[in-house]
Amino acid sequence: GEDVEQSLFLSVREGDSSVINCTYTDSSSTYLYWYKQEPGAGLQLLTYIFSNMDMKQDQRLTVLLNKKDKHLSLRIADTQTGDSAIYFCAETLYGNNRLAFGKGNQVVVIP
Amino acid sequence: EPEVTQTPSHQVTQMGQEVILRCVPISNHLYFYWYRQILGQKVEFLVSFYNNEISEKSEIFDDQFSVERPDGSNFTLKIRSTKLEDSAMYFCASSEAVRDRGAFFGQGTRLTVV
Repeated sequence: GEDVEQSLFLSVREGDSSVINCTYTDSSSTYLYWYKQEPGAGLQLLTYIFSNMDMKQDQRLTVLLNKKDKHLSLRIADTQTGDSAIYFCAETLYGNNRLAFGKGNQVVVIP
Repeated sequence: EPEVTQTPSHQVTQMGQEVILRCVPISNHLYFYWYRQILGQKVEFLVSFYNNEISEKSEIFDDQFSVERPDGSNFTLKIRSTKLEDSAMYFCASSEAVRDRGAFFGQGTRLTVV
């Protein structure tokens, strides 16, 4: 079954890069996602990567996927105060349309 | 930009009462979902709905829960005989297709059972 793990807290200075990590256990994952949750708001889809890709870049966001180690990371370049939020990674499995989420990683950007 | 909307944003109910959480998915989406997040825990899948029927449900989604699409725009989650442990944030989501570009979530309904 799916099990997604994330570290809990990251503090970063404005303008620096931040990297959030996630590990998952199910090798049959087909898509992996990053969601952002700002205080009092819903889950905002940031980006996704298909499991046959190693990397995806989308403006300030870079997703790296190491399928061998089942490790997913999200790098945010030039982190801004608006990036302060909880970031969740999630996966879907082949033949399955449910998302399995990690516990989330809170990112706090210090001005 | 189209978005998923949920009402109410906060619902307080007495234990044993029934609640209905409402959602308006994005209009051209075909797949609808409910998730919940108990405070401090992971976001958990409850149920997915396609073509007017449940396509998948988790072990959490027992007989206490039901979903309905009563008209062309609303998607509801009914929780019968609420328990204290049903207190959570409930998220509705919708997507154009299974998997692919991911699901779009509403802002959530915070359910508090007292």
